[in-house]
Amino acid sequence: QKEVEQNSGPLSVPEGAIASLNCTYSDRGSQSFFWYRQYSGKSPELIMSIYSNGDKEDGRFTAQLNKASQYVSLLIRDSQPSDSATYLCATRILLLGGGNKLTFGTGTQLKVEL
Amino acid sequence: DAGVTQSPTHLIKTRGQQVTLRCSPKSGHDTVSWYQQALGQGPQFIFQYYEEEERQRGNFPDRFSGHQFPNYSSELNVNALLLGDSALYLCASSGTGGWDYGYTFGSGTRLTVV
Repeated sequence: QKEVEQNSGPLSVPEGAIASLNCTYSDRGSQSFFWYRQYSGKSPELIMSIYSNGDKEDGRFTAQLNKASQYVSLLIRDSQPSDSATYLCATRILLLGGGNKLTFGTGTQLKVEL
Repeated sequence: DAGVTQSPTHLIKTRGQQVTLRCSPKSGHDTVSWYQQALGQGPQFIFQYYEEEERQRGNFPDRFSGHQFPNYSSELNVNALLLGDSALYLCASSGTGGWDYGYTFGSGTRLTVV
């Protein structure tokens, strides 16, 4: 079982629709959760972080966390063609000896169609 | 405020050669992590440096080594390059903060081994 699982997609949504991206994780020691957006050939860009159960909203983005179900999701409202990218889900866990690391899923490719 | 700076941006090496990649963290950050991202995959944790010491290593062979300098900048060295080492190498910096604190990634170094 992979530590962080995402559907690779592609997920296609029409412009203006809500895009829903999902992620499950296996390590119950995960402390916080992140969504990164990655355009082709570019590096990941942090768009949302969440560490408490429930919803967290930032503009058109809403992150949802359910630790009991080990499930994280990202909703993108009023999707725009510029949202077309790969979305990476990541969890952060403590390392033995201090520090922490991010564990990533393989990413979900989102395509927003005109 | 400069973000995370990586150099070089692209590199082509021959099998068996050695390579050094460089990273300057974001101002105020003292921890540097290195990730390898193969095509179509999520970033994989290589190791993390803090106070000039390697805190933890991911599942990478000893051919991968690193260093952190007193100014918090870091190098990643890969010896005896294999074709499978071709990937985007990402440096991420972080500092002290709460659990909601994400990593900032550099623009990456694209390494091609031929």
